[in-house]
Amino acid sequence: DAGVTQSPTHLIKTRGQHVTLRCSPISGHKSVSWYQQVLGQGPQFIFQYYEKEERGRGNFPDRFSARQFPNYSSELNVNALLLGDSALYLCASSFQPQAGEQYFGPGTRLTVT
Amino acid sequence: GDSVTQMEGPVTLSEEAFLTINCTYTATGYPSLFWYVQYPGEGLQLLLKATKADDKGSNKGFEATYRKETTSFHLEKGSVQVSDSAVYFCALSGGGGADGLTFGKGTHLIIQP
Repeated sequence: DAGVTQSPTHLIKTRGQHVTLRCSPISGHKSVSWYQQVLGQGPQFIFQYYEKEERGRGNFPDRFSARQFPNYSSELNVNALLLGDSALYLCASSFQPQAGEQYFGPGTRLTVT
Repeated sequence: GDSVTQMEGPVTLSEEAFLTINCTYTATGYPSLFWYVQYPGEGLQLLLKATKADDKGSNKGFEATYRKETTSFHLEKGSVQVSDSAVYFCALSGGGGADGLTFGKGTHLIIQP
């Protein structure tokens, strides 16, 4: 079975632009979470979705938004990009919104110039 | 809020040495505790977990015991191999399970032959 997939793999954007990152969970998983991992740090929680509803939100500004589709895939949107948004964005899926048993994708590397 | 503190790296050991990576946490309620591992060029993988006090998680020769009295979850392995070289993250999830994982900063482990 395929694991969690994310697209694109790498992305370069300019300050002020908008970006959309995509994630497909493991088949049968209904919960998707997003994390931001800055170089040299641990991942930081951004959002969790379950059955298309937001279940949790981390300490990120309103420029960050997400949604989950009927097929349980998800998008993370970031508006008005800042240099500090440069990071690896990780998607994780789980069967239920229990934070522990999460399976991570390879991530999208976003560089903001 | 919840937080995880783990020893700074890099930690460099010779093959067959004993490994300890310290992890302590601060959390409200009764969190579940995890160790995730990130091998070079790969995504985050769950290594082991413990969901209540005095539980011992184990996998691939690694062990960690949930110590509520010392709020610790130290990772140990009796004899490390070169293939164990990776970044190790200690993490916790709250009782509600809907607010994502809280990670430490990660410990880079380097095993020399």
